[in-house]
Amino acid sequence: GEDVEQSLFLSVREGDSSVINCTYTDSSSTYLYWYKQEPGAGLQLLTYIFSNMDMKQDQRLTVLLNKKDKHLSLRIADTQTGDSAIYFCAESPSGGSYIPTFGRGTSLIVHP
Amino acid sequence: GAVVSQHPSRVICKSGTSVKIECRSLDFQATTMFWYRQFPKKSLMLMATSNEGSKATYEQGVEKDKFLINHASLTLSTLTVTSAHPEDSSFYICSANMFRVGSYEQYFGPGTRLTVT
Repeated sequence: GEDVEQSLFLSVREGDSSVINCTYTDSSSTYLYWYKQEPGAGLQLLTYIFSNMDMKQDQRLTVLLNKKDKHLSLRIADTQTGDSAIYFCAESPSGGSYIPTFGRGTSLIVHP
Repeated sequence: GAVVSQHPSRVICKSGTSVKIECRSLDFQATTMFWYRQFPKKSLMLMATSNEGSKATYEQGVEKDKFLINHASLTLSTLTVTSAHPEDSSFYICSANMFRVGSYEQYFGPGTRLTVT
């Protein structure tokens, strides 16, 4: 299987919360990231979390990390149509070149 | 956050010609830049790691003679697709790392859409 797995699609109604899930296999992962990609654009770093943290909150974004289960989630509160994009989960180990491994991305579609 | 630019944003070229894509870090120095290729509905595929002042490190399966990478300065890396073919049509994204104590952040360019006719 892939090193970083995500579901490919998520559809929510405007105003609801979105939860995008990600699982990874590398137990040495130290940095875990969420990136957002809007159509035809590059990736925008949304947030990241260290493996020694359980949760990180930044305005509407909440990242939860279950290191035991190697599960990462991104919750977007009060989802807006402008949040429609592809969200990539990525992980990188400490040391070495820090090159992240990306998941295939979750397409978030927000309905008005 | 840090800004990474790419030029051009979109290019259409004829089969057999070469195309150069520039990646610049605008407000920071990047000793290492990365080149990715993104296929439709696919994740990013790392093509190569570009190190300033040294040869690029290519990922397995990436032809170094076809995808020439030059990291001329701490703010500029270029990717040249030589003798382009329609199967090279893709979205190419570069990124540059900004290293801070206690974290590692990678910033991405806006991407370059290459279409080979």
